[in-house]
Amino acid sequence: KAGVTQTPRYLIKTRGQQVTLSCSPISGHRSVSWYQQTPGQGLQFLFEYFSETQRNKGNFPGRFSGRQFSNSRSEMNVSTLELGDSALYLCASSSTGGGGIYEQYFGPGTRLTVT
Amino acid sequence: GDSVTQMEGPVTLSEEAFLTINCTYTATGYPSLFWYVQYPGEGLQLLLKATKADDKGSNKGFEATYRKETTSFHLEKGSVQVSDSAVYFCALTPTGGGNKLTFGTGTQLKVEL
Repeated sequence: KAGVTQTPRYLIKTRGQQVTLSCSPISGHRSVSWYQQTPGQGLQFLFEYFSETQRNKGNFPGRFSGRQFSNSRSEMNVSTLELGDSALYLCASSSTGGGGIYEQYFGPGTRLTVT
Repeated sequence: GDSVTQMEGPVTLSEEAFLTINCTYTATGYPSLFWYVQYPGEGLQLLLKATKADDKGSNKGFEATYRKETTSFHLEKGSVQVSDSAVYFCALTPTGGGNKLTFGTGTQLKVEL
């Protein structure tokens, strides 16, 4: 079974631009979560989508948004990029988003650099 | 809100040494607890988990026991190898389930020959 894939792996953008990152979950997985990893703040939860609906949201400004498609693939968008948005963005998929404990599988991440 | 505190790194050990990485948490009720590992240039991999008090998670020689009384989930390995060099993250999901992981700051482990 193919793992979680994220595209692109590396991205360089200029402050003020917007960016879209993509995540394809493991086949059959319906939950996709996004995390931001920075040296200063560590790993922080952005949001989770399950069956095309946002189930949970972290404490990030409205510039960060996401969506999920009917095939469970997910995208996250960051508008009006700031230097502080430079980070590794990780996507994780799980077979469900409901109660219970289900293993989450992480992708390799997209390294975003804002100049 | 929920939080996880783990020991600062880096931790440098000789091969075959005993490893302990401390992790404590703050959360209501009975969260589920996890250890993830991140190798250079890669995403996170689940190392082990425990879902209720006194559970012991284990994998690849690593172990951690869910201690409700001390709100701890310390990671241990009896004999580390160079290949164990990585960053280790302690994490939790809230009581009742859900996929929102709250992570500690990570502890870098370096194992030398």
